[in-house]
Amino acid sequence: EAQVTQNPRYLITVTGKKLTVTCSQNMNHEYMSWYRQDPGLGLRQIYYSMNVEVTDKGDVPEGYKVSRKEKRNFPLILESPSPNQTSLYFCASSPQPGLADSGQETQYFGPGTRLLVL
Amino acid sequence: QKEVEQDPGPLSVPEGAIVSLNCTYSNSAFQYFMWYRQYSRKGPELLMYTYSSGNKEDGRFTAQVDKSSKYISLFIRDSQPSDSATYLCAMSARGNNRLAFGKGNQVVVIP
Repeated sequence: EAQVTQNPRYLITVTGKKLTVTCSQNMNHEYMSWYRQDPGLGLRQIYYSMNVEVTDKGDVPEGYKVSRKEKRNFPLILESPSPNQTSLYFCASSPQPGLADSGQETQYFGPGTRLLVL
Repeated sequence: QKEVEQDPGPLSVPEGAIVSLNCTYSNSAFQYFMWYRQYSRKGPELLMYTYSSGNKEDGRFTAQVDKSSKYISLFIRDSQPSDSATYLCAMSARGNNRLAFGKGNQVVVIP
């Protein structure tokens, strides 16, 4: 089954304790992305990756790191979490933009990781 | 002006009614328009995809894009309780995977 998986699904941690949220996709997609979703603010992109070893900042990258060592995995790292990073996080993937209007811009989302930083 | 505007107000309708949702946008480079549906405690899933202007119909769902007005709509006919979810509009430019999202509309269909 084609899917994007995230782990853990729920996490409670304390300020300053480093954590990693894993993301994996089995669709051989080049593009992967991390979003956070907050009430009243919608989905905001944190970081994205166009391919292995190619990453770039999204709209709200402060306090986050990512790496893309393998095509299927795109972990999100919070080196020193703070309470304002309490949020619902989604990983997503898609093929690279196609030359034709084939809808390759659509993204497939994981189930989400709910993070609470105390 | 925000890139994508979607009035996030909740919407409650009786079963069988037509649900009408819309978004406006400011970036004229957007050519790909999507509607995602998000059930509670789930990730967004693609519901409708439209390229450029025009209408697209899929069962009870119709997506409309008016690029001249920078306005997109989603209509749900004969709404069902299973349609209760948050609906997010999203759009992107050619050759660009970046999606710009609206804030989402929570829709509740009352049996």
